[in-house]
Amino acid sequence: GENVEQHPSTLSVQEGDSAVIKCTYSDSASNYFPWYKQELGKRPQLIIDIRSNVGEKKDQRIAVTLNKTAKHFSLHITETQPEDSAVYFCAASRWSGGYQKVTFGTGTKLQVIP
Amino acid sequence: DAGITQSPRYKITETGRQVTLMCHQTWSHSYMFWYRQDLGHGLRLIYYSAAADITDKGEVPDGYVVSRSKTENFPLTLESATRSQTSVYFCASSEPVNNQPQHFGDGTRLSIL
Repeated sequence: GENVEQHPSTLSVQEGDSAVIKCTYSDSASNYFPWYKQELGKRPQLIIDIRSNVGEKKDQRIAVTLNKTAKHFSLHITETQPEDSAVYFCAASRWSGGYQKVTFGTGTKLQVIP
Repeated sequence: DAGITQSPRYKITETGRQVTLMCHQTWSHSYMFWYRQDLGHGLRLIYYSAAADITDKGEVPDGYVVSRSKTENFPLTLESATRSQTSVYFCASSEPVNNQPQHFGDGTRLSIL
């Protein structure tokens, strides 16, 4: 089955700096890659996603890149703010057995220091 | 977004007890999912449902039972709770289309003593 590895597990940056979180996946059939942000005690919320026919997607300060050949994708947050502090999960998914099978990474705890 | 609600938010029970976690969505999404979230494991799929009366096992189904008599509800039952089932449980839903995100509820924090 699919295996998603996420690094680093924790990340501390100064406010205003950039943060990068990297994920690798094993199943070449995965074709959809969402990223979720989870604040303490709250639900995971989708922040950005990318489909396998696209190499990069940007939404204001957040961008995601995908390298299908190397099977890795990354989340980039620029001009970080304290409210960006949260746990971020990457995921790789594919349609399998009649549903969208999603495999999540183990999360990155991002701390933005004011 | 309150489209998917879970209850209770917190639950403490004892080993061997039966406990049911509720999930209700107002989006009319066909697909619903139950995950458990544990430190170091991320989110792991317990069960999913493609429609009313259609359910199937995920990655970690042992010890859990689900039902889906109505599209909007997807309860998860622990028939005889064990300490290893202490976790945070998230319900999610999605449209029946490829490459669409899942939307999560607020979760239920379950402690089994």
